[in-house]
Amino acid sequence: AAGVIQSPRHLIKEKRETATLKCYPIPRHDTVYWYQQGPGQDPQFLISFYEKMQSDKGSIPDRFSAQQFSDYHSELNMSSLELGDSALYFCASSAPGRADENEQFFGPGTRLTVL
Amino acid sequence: GQQLNQSPQSMFIQEGEDVSMNCTSSSIFNTWLWYKQEPGEGPVLLIALYKAGELTSNGRLTAQFGITRKDSFLNISASIPSDVGIYFCAGPSVFGYGKLTFGQGTILTVHP
Repeated sequence: AAGVIQSPRHLIKEKRETATLKCYPIPRHDTVYWYQQGPGQDPQFLISFYEKMQSDKGSIPDRFSAQQFSDYHSELNMSSLELGDSALYFCASSAPGRADENEQFFGPGTRLTVL
Repeated sequence: GQQLNQSPQSMFIQEGEDVSMNCTSSSIFNTWLWYKQEPGEGPVLLIALYKAGELTSNGRLTAQFGITRKDSFLNISASIPSDVGIYFCAGPSVFGYGKLTFGQGTILTVHP
């Protein structure tokens, strides 16, 4: 079965640079969630999109922005990168409107390292 | 906001032993999810629970949705080395659009 695809898997950036992370949800899933996971931490919700509209926002820095496109893929844009942004970034997708709408399926993640 | 307290934080067991971990919350959840995460990978959904009192199995895994809707348990029977990983409980926000709140995770180590 098709899973959530994230790219790139690994990314190394310098401080103050910009990064773009991409997420391709499971086919026919119209909701995308972004999470950030620091070392030894549980995933923390950043932002979500439903039908290309932002549906919820968590503890996402103002330096970050995201959007969902017409093909339902999503991109997380991170600017003015700081050392503390180094983390695993996960995208998850789900299919609201179904009985299992709360089941979120995670991608393999992007490991961002800021030097 | 909603918080989930997961215990134990870590477990070191011998292959073949049974494992039990739990998750509690101060507020009600309508859904409980259990995930397993291996190093450098994304969380993988193991079991989803939707009804209070529900007991659901997935192979050697069994999870229960507490009657009070404020807790959930995950049991792994006859553990094997590939059960190693971090197990997270999670629940979707009842106020938002499904964003998940995670427990702190249980690190499971299985000695052959």
